[in-house]
Amino acid sequence: AQSVTQPDIHITVSEGASLELRCNYSYGATPYLFWYVQSPGQGLQLLLKYFSGDTLVQGIKGFEAEFKRSQSSFNLRKPSVHWSDAAEYFCAASTGTASKLTFGTGTRLQVTL
Amino acid sequence: DAGITQSPRYKITETGRQVTLMCHQTWSHSYMFWYRQDLGHGLRLIYYSAAADITDKGEVPDGYVVSRSKTENFPLTLESATRSQTSVYFCASSGLAGGETQYFGPGTRLLVL
Repeated sequence: AQSVTQPDIHITVSEGASLELRCNYSYGATPYLFWYVQSPGQGLQLLLKYFSGDTLVQGIKGFEAEFKRSQSSFNLRKPSVHWSDAAEYFCAASTGTASKLTFGTGTRLQVTL
Repeated sequence: DAGITQSPRYKITETGRQVTLMCHQTWSHSYMFWYRQDLGHGLRLIYYSAAADITDKGEVPDGYVVSRSKTENFPLTLESATRSQTSVYFCASSGLAGGETQYFGPGTRLLVL
């Protein structure tokens, strides 16, 4: 079955430190890949997406993600975290059929000052 | 205002009652989706629609009914609410298939007593 795994439920980083959130997928073929962010009480906002081409994808708010086919991974990174980045982050994948998304269970990011 | 809206934002109901959650988008997007968000599960697809009068089941459709008589609206009905349907419900829309970005509404927080 198709699935998306986010192995880290909760991560705490200090403001100014670098961040990497992990995402692995299990699909027959390379899916379309997305990272969304959800602030408390809010809906989901798209950070970035990967369809094909350059494996390093730039997104909003200074985030980037790298697609690694050999590892079936699409990890999200940020060089220097800000306190406002505290939120829940979801990795998602789609085969393109009707754009149905399969989500990971999310990683909650806490930022300490 | 343009975008995707959901109503009500908060709802408390009792077991056995019928509840309808509304979703409205102003982009004329073809695809619309309903997800539920539960701790430990991320977001799971309930139903989706490719166009007016075309709907299909997602991962967790039992106990829910949808309709789409107009492109811009996609109501979700819980025919006889159960406590297990206590959740946060998100509506989303996208313009095309093939991995097109989904845009999410702010969510409806539903409590079934």
